[in-house]
Amino acid sequence: KNEVEQSPQNLTAQEGEFITINCSYSVGISALHWLQQHPGGGIVSLFMLSSGKKKHGRLIATINIQEKHSSLHITASHPRDSAVYICAASIRGGGADGLTFGKGTHLIIQP
Amino acid sequence: SQTIHQWPATLVQPVGSPLSLECTVEGTSNPNLYWYRQAAGRGLQLLFYSVGIGQISSEVPQNLSASRPQDRQFILSSKKLLLSDSGFYLCAWNRVETQYFGPGTRLLVL
Repeated sequence: KNEVEQSPQNLTAQEGEFITINCSYSVGISALHWLQQHPGGGIVSLFMLSSGKKKHGRLIATINIQEKHSSLHITASHPRDSAVYICAASIRGGGADGLTFGKGTHLIIQP
Repeated sequence: SQTIHQWPATLVQPVGSPLSLECTVEGTSNPNLYWYRQAAGRGLQLLFYSVGIGQISSEVPQNLSASRPQDRQFILSSKKLLLSDSGFYLCAWNRVETQYFGPGTRLLVL
């Protein structure tokens, strides 16, 4: 079993829909990251969370430490949001904050 | 501002050939540096990390090695490539618990 699990694996939605991607982890973490990977492969860090909630534009990330669960929400989704969204954890006691990754959620927003 | 460079961007190599991928970071000093690999159809995996010059830790047993000859230079190497070494290799560095990723090198071993 992977230490970081994401769902859904694939998600197709219409423009304007509210999107939720879920991430659960099974080990102690020091931080939870949400990353965005575009078709060319480049990866951008969206959020780093250790507690609570963060918001940036139309993106919202939440984490529940007790339940070992995090969600990434996209409000008013747009075709340019189409990408792979990856949840990653800095495992407590792990290698110098090296990340352990979920397998990613491939999101397609149709116009 | 901080920048991270990787080269080459794309590489096609025959099985058994050597490999050297280079990563350099600008605008910071003494960063933690990381090599990740994304194999086809699989998630990203941490290969190596370094907390300083000459200090390398390996996360998974494999055909690859890493070196850090200078503070802001991180090199991924192999003496003899395997087909299974194909993938997308990303270098990253760490600041205030946020990781910044390079543009990646796409390696195809034939």
